[in-house]
Amino acid sequence: SAVISQKPSRDICQRGTSLTIQCQVDSQVTMMFWYRQQPGQSLTLIATANQGSEATYESGFVIDKFPISRPNLTFSTLTVSNMSPEDSSIYLCSVEAPNSGNTIYFGEGSWLTVV
Amino acid sequence: QKEVEQNSGPLSVPEGAIASLNCTYSDRGSQSFFWYRQYSGKSPELIMSIYSNGDKEDGRFTAQLNKASQYVSLLIRDSQPSDSATYLCAVNQGGGSYIPTFGRGTSLIVHP
Repeated sequence: SAVISQKPSRDICQRGTSLTIQCQVDSQVTMMFWYRQQPGQSLTLIATANQGSEATYESGFVIDKFPISRPNLTFSTLTVSNMSPEDSSIYLCSVEAPNSGNTIYFGEGSWLTVV
Repeated sequence: QKEVEQNSGPLSVPEGAIASLNCTYSDRGSQSFFWYRQYSGKSPELIMSIYSNGDKEDGRFTAQLNKASQYVSLLIRDSQPSDSATYLCAVNQGGGSYIPTFGRGTSLIVHP
């Protein structure tokens, strides 16, 4: 498995501001994933982050709105830019743990409320 | 378009009963299958993974996979109120692809 720490765990944000979520893993991993889970909904993949390359975004998500950094094999950040109430959601960092048979593990999540 | 389908529920079972959660998937090439449990206000946690046809047991949980019929199920024996949560099915095509497709989840309620 993998131990994944996310910060902040929860925040209330003003409309129009940006917030950066940090994700730290206790082991080196090739790819990290960022998901969003809106209230009452399932998980939606935002992007896949490879160390040393640009993140790959899923349909409906763009780099200007959700810039991602991946400076090393244990850390990544997701920024939610120019927030609106529609961005109120849980944002989840996840990784495929080494030698785990493609098993995905999740961080504790960051609960964002935009007012 | 890879799809993973789950009945959203809620599935309500009495304490001590067997809860049966089902999931179907569209990608016949899928190789890895996972069940996650998500309590309200928490992130998903892995319960079980299964890769081969048949049953895999872990404590009160049994995962069942039938690739020919493209379904995977999770049985919870002796259900407890603490099992009340949303259960997410995830399917991964494998072969180097690390990105699973998640179902919408089934809400399980175990009542005393």
